[in-house]
Formats: sequence, structure tokens, C-alpha cells
Amino acid sequence: DTAVSQTPKYLVTQMGNDKSIKCEQNLGHDTMYWYKQDSKKFLKIMFSYNNKELIINETVPNRFSPKSPDKAHLNLHINSLELGDSAVYFCASSQGTSGRMETQYFGPGTRLLVL
Amino acid sequence: EDQVTQSPEALRLQEGESSSLNCSYTVSGLRGLFWYRQDPGKGPEFLFTLYSAGEEKEKERLKATLTKKESFLHITAPKPEDSATYLCAVQAGPGGYNKLIFGAGTRLAVHP
Repeated sequence: DTAVSQTPKYLVTQMGNDKSIKCEQNLGHDTMYWYKQDSKKFLKIMFSYNNKELIINETVPNRFSPKSPDKAHLNLHINSLELGDSAVYFCASSQGTSGRMETQYFGPGTRLLVL
Repeated sequence: EDQVTQSPEALRLQEGESSSLNCSYTVSGLRGLFWYRQDPGKGPEFLFTLYSAGEEKEKERLKATLTKKESFLHITAPKPEDSATYLCAVQAGPGGYNKLIFGAGTRLAVHP
């Protein structure tokens, strides 16, 4: 059983288009995240939701809008795609936001290429 | 500013040749340090969490250790299947939010 899944796995699109990436976790976790991994392989957090509430919102262009319909799903919508948005986007989830560090479990990634 | 630096950037080993990967960090109040393994085209896979200086964790040929300024991932008698990128991440600062700060990773290649 897949713990954290993402769709699509690959996404090739033209500049200026709008696209969405979906994430689902079946671990029963309360918190979900979006990370971006650029060409230099750095993983950087973008957003985090806890029980459908936005709790982390890094300095990300407002063309990126996360949405959490329920605590098992976190989607990422990107408007007016730019060349620099090309990257691998990872979804992750963790049990909660307790004082102790919670292990984050990652999905397989969505490879976005903007032409 | 919180920062994580991993070295070396790339490491090539012969099968059975033990070595260590380094993760040094400067953070305002470490709350946890994580090691992940990432295979090409896949998401990071959790290996270890370390919370305080002096702590050690082991799993098969891997052993992670933590001091106040750095962590080491020791690989004993590696096999070709240990080839991957190893990522270190820290969570620091106040609050209960699990914001991880990642290093750039060490690409490990183990040759038979």
C-alpha cells in the first residue's frame, strides 16, 4: 500500500498554463507538506497544512496556491507557469505538530517541466 | 540564518570500503536532525532521527551519530545497493511546526 501518493508523476506544459498536482496520504497523519527540489537537488519547504489549516507558508510566489480539502489530501495549484517553476515537487506528511520532531514521509515526486 | 552543509558532495567507494558522511549545521536551537536516503527518481526515504548530542542510531550497515555542531553517517562495509544520495535535515527554532531545512546531500556510489 502506497503511504504518500502524488499525481501526476510527470507533467510537461507550456509557459503561461495553469496546472495542479495532487497528493494523498493513507497514514492517518494530521500534517502535510509541499517541498520543491530544484536542479541542484536542494529540497525547500513551500507550504504545510495541519488539519486543513495552513501553518507554514514560505516565501513562494502567489501563483502557487495550496488547497487541503481534508487532512488526507493536499493539492498544489500553479497559475501562469514560468520556466523557473521546472522542478520536482514532493508531498510529505507527518503525524502532527507536537513539540518533538515528527518524522516526515515523502511521496514519489512530480516532475514538472515548463517549456 | 539556519543552515545545513553536507560533505563531501560526492563519494565513490569500493564495495567493503567503510567511510563517513558529514552534516554540519548552524541553527538557533536544534530540535531534531534527520537522515534520509534518496534514490534517483524517487522521494526521500526516512533513515534516522537524532534529538540530542551523544545520541547514536544504527540500521544494518548505517550508523548515525550527533554532536552539538554536526552529525555523521557511518557506512560500514558498503554494498552497491547502498548507492544513493544521503540527505541531512534539521528542525530548529521555537514553535511546534515541523519545518525541515535540508542540506544539498552527498551522492554515494559504491562499486563492486
